Amino acid sequence: DVKVTQSSRYLVKRTGEKVFLECVQDMDHENMFWYRQDPGLGLRLIYFSYDVKMKEKGDIPEGYSVSREKKERFSLILESASTNQTSMYLCASSPWGGSQPQHFGDGTRLSIL
Amino acid sequence: GENVEQHPSTLSVQEGDSAVIKCTYSDSASNYFPWYKQELGKRPQLIIDIRSNVGEKKDQRIAVTLNKTAKHFSLHITETQPEDSAVYFCAAKGTGNTPLVFGKGTRLSVIA
Repeated sequence: DVKVTQSSRYLVKRTGEKVFLECVQDMDHENMFWYRQDPGLGLRLIYFSYDVKMKEKGDIPEGYSVSREKKERFSLILESASTNQTSMYLCASSPWGGSQPQHFGDGTRLSIL
Repeated sequence: GENVEQHPSTLSVQEGDSAVIKCTYSDSASNYFPWYKQELGKRPQLIIDIRSNVGEKKDQRIAVTLNKTAKHFSLHITETQPEDSAVYFCAAKGTGNTPLVFGKGTRLSVIA
């Protein structure tokens, strides 16, 4: 069974801090994704990566960056956290190619004070 | 790029009744359509998916239909139970190594 593990379920940070959210998958998937989930807005893609050191912008990349130094690990970075980045963040992974589902982690609920 | 619209945003049904959630997509090249269920405080989980070479797929009380000509697909849940209460997301995926594009979700409440 695919396991996608996010390092924290809940995180509280202050405005202006640099914040790291970590995600690890154990199925040797090529693709990894970071989503933001807000009520009424669904799942919005921030960034995705299809290989080590490769990244693609999603729909809402502003204020975020990512790092993928190893195949199993994908990090989301908030360079200077702001209150409007308070949200639920979901990581997902999938194999390369079409017709494949994405598997999600449990999410990190991030609060920026 | 792909755009997925999902309706309704909220749905309440009596236990035992059927529930239908509808999605439309814009990219005629899309060929994979999964549905996810997200219970309160939990991760989205895949419940059923359909590929473009199939018109309908069933799994016990859940079925999905796909109309490629009209570019819409639907989730049907029969004999609903309280444990079906959750947020449901549809998604569409084009050819190649592209991400899923999600609808905004439907909050289903099954009233006992």
